[in-house]
Amino acid sequence: GDSVTQMEGPVTLSEEAFLTINCTYTATGYPSLFWYVQYPGEGLQLLLKATKADDKGSNKGFEATYRKETTSFHLEKGSVQVSDSAVYFCALSDRDNQGGKLIFGQGTELSVKP
Amino acid sequence: DVKVTQSSRYLVKRTGEKVFLECVQDMDHENMFWYRQDPGLGLRLIYFSYDVKMKEKGDIPEGYSVSREKKERFSLILESASTNQTSMYLCASSLAGALETQYFGPGTRLLVL
Repeated sequence: GDSVTQMEGPVTLSEEAFLTINCTYTATGYPSLFWYVQYPGEGLQLLLKATKADDKGSNKGFEATYRKETTSFHLEKGSVQVSDSAVYFCALSDRDNQGGKLIFGQGTELSVKP
Repeated sequence: DVKVTQSSRYLVKRTGEKVFLECVQDMDHENMFWYRQDPGLGLRLIYFSYDVKMKEKGDIPEGYSVSREKKERFSLILESASTNQTSMYLCASSLAGALETQYFGPGTRLLVL
């Protein structure tokens, strides 16, 4: 079945460092790909998404490009801030699935130090 | 803004108790979802519903049931709580369709003693 694999955390960075969180997927169809973020004590919220190959999603300085050839959707940010400390989840939704179900990776915790 | 609310942020129950977790959304969304979140396992889908009175099993439905009598409300029921159901429970809603954004509630942290 479809699955999502993320790099293990926790990831600890200094403020203004470059961030990459790796995400790869396995899917039989043509999925849409998402990054959700969970700040401490809160539910998840959508960070960005891409619906077809070579699409780039971007929001709040974060970017991710849908790479069909490498089945990847890596999250990047050029300069992280303390306020970016959160858990990041990669997810996919198969276009053919009923009800809009999402399949999530295990999450990557990011801690940014001043 | 879409708002998804959950009835409790923290809940402590005893083994064998019947537990109700309530979720309400205010944006007339067709789809609603219940997940549990455990460290190292990410989010796992328990049940979802794409219409009133409709429900579908997710990946881990055992030990749970759901109810959706009104469009805005989706309840998760633990018929007889067990310690392995200690977890964070997240509710979400979305418009119909595979490409729609899911909006999440703040979560209920359940401890079963």
